[in-house]
Amino acid sequence: DAMVIQNPRYQVTQFGKPVTLSCSQTLNHNVMYWYQQKSSQAPKLLFHYYDKDFNNEADTPDNFQSRRPNTSFCFLDIRSPGLGDAAMYLCATSRVPGDGYTFGSGTRLTVV
Amino acid sequence: GENVEQHPSTLSVQEGDSAVIKCTYSDSASNYFPWYKQELGKRPQLIIDIRSNVGEKKDQRIAVTLNKTAKHFSLHITETQPEDSAVYFCAAPASNDYKLSFGAGTTVTVRA
Repeated sequence: DAMVIQNPRYQVTQFGKPVTLSCSQTLNHNVMYWYQQKSSQAPKLLFHYYDKDFNNEADTPDNFQSRRPNTSFCFLDIRSPGLGDAAMYLCATSRVPGDGYTFGSGTRLTVV
Repeated sequence: GENVEQHPSTLSVQEGDSAVIKCTYSDSASNYFPWYKQELGKRPQLIIDIRSNVGEKKDQRIAVTLNKTAKHFSLHITETQPEDSAVYFCAAPASNDYKLSFGAGTTVTVRA
């Protein structure tokens, strides 16, 4: 009964080769978030969707984009991954703004 | 946005002792304060949260206290067990925003 599912769990991509990470949820939550977490650091918000409304953090690199084609799915696209983009990428949802988050298991991205 | 500071960064306790982690926040109008536990290689999981209309909340061995005047909240773990070893993150939203900002995390090690 997984609720927030991220695929794949581990992703290896080549330097500069576009990569897409996916997140799906069975909770019917309105808000979906993408966080980047580097080793021994706090999760850092990249962007989020409130329903169909996309919200980008001011310091999120242009290299990162997101799509939410429907309530259940959200994608993170990295157009040209660099070595510095290697991290754990966490998807989270909340039922409404201000509610607690439910996190997915994360995708660990390695850039070679 | 919200600025959340978390201390200590590492905490080692003897099994059976108590552990306390403290966070301070900057936005006096913030009204929701969750704590997440992240075991190695796993997703952060919400373990307890508190809203600004209460000063303390307890769930078995875990408690959270909130001091709105001083703008800090703390996680208390009593009778620690080896399975409590993990990284703990506090978080808070800004008053004009619902996105969570996370503290830097506390690595808790419970020694048997």
